[in-house]
Amino acid sequence: AQTVTQSQPEMSVQEAETVTLSCTYDTSESDYYLFWYKQPPSRQMILVIRQEAYKQQNATENRFSVNFQKAAKSFSLKISDSQLGDAAMYFCAYRSGSYDYKLSFGAGTTVTVRA
Amino acid sequence: SAVISQKPSRDICQRGTSLTIQCQVDSQVTMMFWYRQQPGQSLTLIATANQGSEATYESGFVIDKFPISRPNLTFSTLTVSNMSPEDSSIYLCSVGDVRNTEAFFGQGTRLTVV
Repeated sequence: AQTVTQSQPEMSVQEAETVTLSCTYDTSESDYYLFWYKQPPSRQMILVIRQEAYKQQNATENRFSVNFQKAAKSFSLKISDSQLGDAAMYFCAYRSGSYDYKLSFGAGTTVTVRA
Repeated sequence: SAVISQKPSRDICQRGTSLTIQCQVDSQVTMMFWYRQQPGQSLTLIATANQGSEATYESGFVIDKFPISRPNLTFSTLTVSNMSPEDSSIYLCSVGDVRNTEAFFGQGTRLTVV
């Protein structure tokens, strides 16, 4: 199984500021997908953003963007203009490019937003 | 996207008993999975639910403890058998299909064993 590492157990950010969450992964595959999921206290896993490995352009979804460095096997998430509703646990996840939707998750980063 | 209904949302169970968790999807999907999330931890894959055949279990999980059924392409159940307090976790159903890149999740079942 692929290894996904999130080295920041907790991050705190002031409302309206920017925070960056780090994620590294280990794989020998060339075709794969990377995701950031958000899990608020409701337990629901919500997709924040996805990145296909074959795409060089970094994905962006509104205030969320990634810095995908394929050679370095790094996939960081930047949350801009942080809002109170962004407070949650964030998981980095890896999926093989084959027709297999099993995900390997990182340990997660708890994001706290200060008003 | 797929809409997933997972039941029950939460339960408190006595040790030694069993609980069956249901996962219903609003459309046919290729793949269904069950994950466990222990308190304050990440998600760990328990097994892939295969339609019409035995589930495929990950290392550390066995069928006797976590029997899984998948009678059709929209429904699956996970049973947590002979429960102990160590089974207290959130259990999540997930689905994937070739029409989408990402996997979708149910809202999870919070299980507490006393």
